[in-house]
Amino acid sequence: DAGVIQSPRHEVTEMGQEVTLRCKPISGHNSLFWYRQTMMRGLELLIYFNNNVPIDDSGMPEDRFSAKMPNASFSTLKIQPSEPRDSAVYFCASSSPTGVDRGKHNEQFFGPGTRLTVL
Amino acid sequence: QKEVEQDPGPLSVPEGAIVSLNCTYSNSAFQYFMWYRQYSRKGPELLMYTYSSGNKEDGRFTAQVDKSSKYISLFIRDSQPSDSATYLCAPEEGFSSGSARQLTFGSGTQLTVLP
Repeated sequence: DAGVIQSPRHEVTEMGQEVTLRCKPISGHNSLFWYRQTMMRGLELLIYFNNNVPIDDSGMPEDRFSAKMPNASFSTLKIQPSEPRDSAVYFCASSSPTGVDRGKHNEQFFGPGTRLTVL
Repeated sequence: QKEVEQDPGPLSVPEGAIVSLNCTYSNSAFQYFMWYRQYSRKGPELLMYTYSSGNKEDGRFTAQVDKSSKYISLFIRDSQPSDSATYLCAPEEGFSSGSARQLTFGSGTQLTVLP
């Protein structure tokens, strides 16, 4: 299995530009999570989907952030317009109730992250 | 008060030392207690988990949960330079109707094991 795939791995953009981050979850996983990680705030959940439906977006910082999951194999996180304080590493993770050991805990499998720098 | 509080570190120890990493939590509904390990410039990976109170051992790693005091610990015996990483605790309630609930991660403790 290829694992969770994220693109791009690095993104440098200027303030005010639109940024789109992409994620392909592990095939068969029905839950997808977007996180943001900074030194100051640690790993923060932005939004998560179950069966392509957004369940909780209370972590999305403001209206400049939006996320979509048009199908089970693809999700996007968009920032428009971007600001320097959005600079962070953005992770996508996926999970499934019938995970590796078929237990009922929620093992999440993380992608390699997208390192975003907004100048 | 945050739902999960973790000793921030950073922590630096000599090779072979015993390491203790700790978290406290406030949500009594948490049933599963996971530890994720994150190497530099990588995504977190599940290291081990326990269900409810008690201990669980996996090689040099022992996870311990005391639900009465809402305290979570990870012990590393005979620490190695390859253990150098950030460790994040992540308690959760468990699945509901076949769909995931969100994890609440601690802030992470950065560990460096010096050769």
